[in-house]
Amino acid sequence: AQSVTQLGSHVSVSEGALVLLRCNYSSSVPPYLFWYVQYPNQGLQLLLKYTTGATLVKGINGFEAEFKKSETSFHLTKPSAHMSDAAEYFCAVFYSSASKIIFGSGTRLSIRP
Amino acid sequence: NAGVTQTPKFRVLKTGQSMTLLCAQDMNHEYMYWYRQDPGMGLRLIHYSVGEGTTAKGEVPDGYNVSRLKKQNFLLGLESAAPSQTSVYFCASKKTENTEAFFGQGTRLTVV
Repeated sequence: AQSVTQLGSHVSVSEGALVLLRCNYSSSVPPYLFWYVQYPNQGLQLLLKYTTGATLVKGINGFEAEFKKSETSFHLTKPSAHMSDAAEYFCAVFYSSASKIIFGSGTRLSIRP
Repeated sequence: NAGVTQTPKFRVLKTGQSMTLLCAQDMNHEYMYWYRQDPGMGLRLIHYSVGEGTTAKGEVPDGYNVSRLKKQNFLLGLESAAPSQTSVYFCASKKTENTEAFFGQGTRLTVV
């Protein structure tokens, strides 16, 4: 079955602290992996993506993610949180066998002053 | 470059009414998708298309129909709206398998 799991529907960190948002997926073959961000009342914006090559990928706004095939994970990190990072974050997987993009349920990130 | 445009942006329907949501993209993308977003459930795939003239069912297709008669347009229809279809609907398009999807700004639909 094709599924994407994001652990933690809500994560709260202090400004300047490490941000870690978790994503695990089900797949027997390496899929294409994406992280999107959604600000209130807006559409989704791409943060970063993994397709092939280097397993550590860098995105916009200082975010990065590492593809770990053995763990079927694609966790999102940022070394130092900023107030402007408060938003909802979605992990997404493109399953080539069916041409579907499946999203996780999202993680709402709050930043404490 | 308009990208992905959804029409309308807001709509209130009465139970049993029908309507069509339009998604238009000007990027010559092959793949197009319709999602619904509900609190705590992320984006759930309703229907999708891998090219002009093709459609396929997603995770939650019941109560919806789609058509892709032209490559640039992907229509989502509700034949008989129900309150359970109150949601925010997003359309997305992508060019190839390993490229990202681009999203419209969403349609907020309320069924009363």
